[in-house]
Amino acid sequence: DAKTTQPPSMDCAEGRAANLPCNHSTISGNEYVYWYRQIHSQGPQYIIHGLKNNETNEMASLIITEDRKSSTLILPHATLRDTAVYYCIVRRPNDYKLSFGAGTTVTVRA
Amino acid sequence: GAGVSQSPSNKVTEKGKDVELRCDPISGHTALYWYRQSLGQGLEFLIYFQGNSAPDKSGLPSDRFSAERTGGSVSTLTIQRTQQEDSAVYLCASSPLLSGLAGLHYEQYFGPGTRLTVT
Repeated sequence: DAKTTQPPSMDCAEGRAANLPCNHSTISGNEYVYWYRQIHSQGPQYIIHGLKNNETNEMASLIITEDRKSSTLILPHATLRDTAVYYCIVRRPNDYKLSFGAGTTVTVRA
Repeated sequence: GAGVSQSPSNKVTEKGKDVELRCDPISGHTALYWYRQSLGQGLEFLIYFQGNSAPDKSGLPSDRFSAERTGGSVSTLTIQRTQQEDSAVYLCASSPLLSGLAGLHYEQYFGPGTRLTVT
């Protein structure tokens, strides 16, 4: 699997958009970009995934660059409950083994 | 609806003792996974069950670790002769059987975990 690189931490003001970057320069053509988050003392939670088109759901938007070497997760209106560690991973189809790196610790401040 | 539940939420045991950790997946989910997460570490895959197929045990760190899934539902992870390095949060997840590109995305729903401390 391709490796990903994320900043270790970032702060965000409540109510503002949070833009979380992820580099995956060695991603292969059949690998998808996934985002998960883990709120303190909880299990990981799926957020969104995409292949090459931008995606949006009720939680977030995912912007993938045309060359697919990087992506950005956008939380449009961050709340205090969005404080968590956010993980960006790339996965091949049918790869059921999740593996996270250190992720980005996002702190939303009032 | 009810999510994945795990019990106990916390377990403290003495080195050398056996422990059993339980996972109740979401009803109807055919796939079940066990992971562990050590302090400051990422997620480590342990084992995967899918329906009646043979489980993928490739992530189990030693033969002290075993897991069962009875009746295609509840699963138990057993650690024999616990060691201090077994201290971690043990996470269980489940996912539905997806049609079409079957299993393509394996969206996994996680439980809250069991925090195991071996003293």
